[in-house]
Amino acid sequence: GAVVSQHPSWVICKSGTSVKIECRSLDFQATTMFWYRQFPKQSLMLMATSNEGSKATYEQGVEKDKFLINHASLTLSTLTVTSAHPEDSSFYICSAGGRALNIQYFGAGTRLSVL
Amino acid sequence: DAKTTQPPSMDCAEGRAANLPCNHSTISGNEYVYWYRQIHSQGPQYIIHGLKNNETNEMASLIITEDRKSSTLILPHATLRDTAVYYCIVDNNNDMRFGAGTRLTVKP
Repeated sequence: GAVVSQHPSWVICKSGTSVKIECRSLDFQATTMFWYRQFPKQSLMLMATSNEGSKATYEQGVEKDKFLINHASLTLSTLTVTSAHPEDSSFYICSAGGRALNIQYFGAGTRLSVL
Repeated sequence: DAKTTQPPSMDCAEGRAANLPCNHSTISGNEYVYWYRQIHSQGPQYIIHGLKNNETNEMASLIITEDRKSSTLILPHATLRDTAVYYCIVDNNNDMRFGAGTRLTVKP
């Protein structure tokens, strides 16, 4: 299957700082990438859809100014958590639309802890 | 909102078949049924998907009822490494939303 690399896998930061998470499709071009957030013992919640070369589409209730998404190329999307606070601590996961019809391939996730 | 209903948990004996049901009674004609699984603290892993016909790959089989309102994922010979949360998703526009899934525990 296709490979999606997500970096970093784990990050700790101080409250008020910004954190950038990268999502790369290593062996295919992904015109669309997706960002999810997952709290402990809960399911994945879709945050936004990222299309290469255009603005991301955010789900209702997700602050676009806080969660900045950039999809500058067909293989890279980034999520920046700006002015992070402890309540932003979560497991963030990206996925990319694969070569086959409507299959998404997922990164390994980034665990963010805000102190 | 998720369009599927799954039992919250199931157990299966190692080496036996695991049959995971999913109800998707409001599925529309152009929506596919997808199955993913998530092993603890990892990203979800694609398993299989289908539209109308039953499908089989090296990981699992997918049985979709004729009316497409429900489906069953079959892991033919479950191993301990198959312990995970299994998600059934219906989608037609690459906009996958996850429900609560089924936590499958494979026991020795």
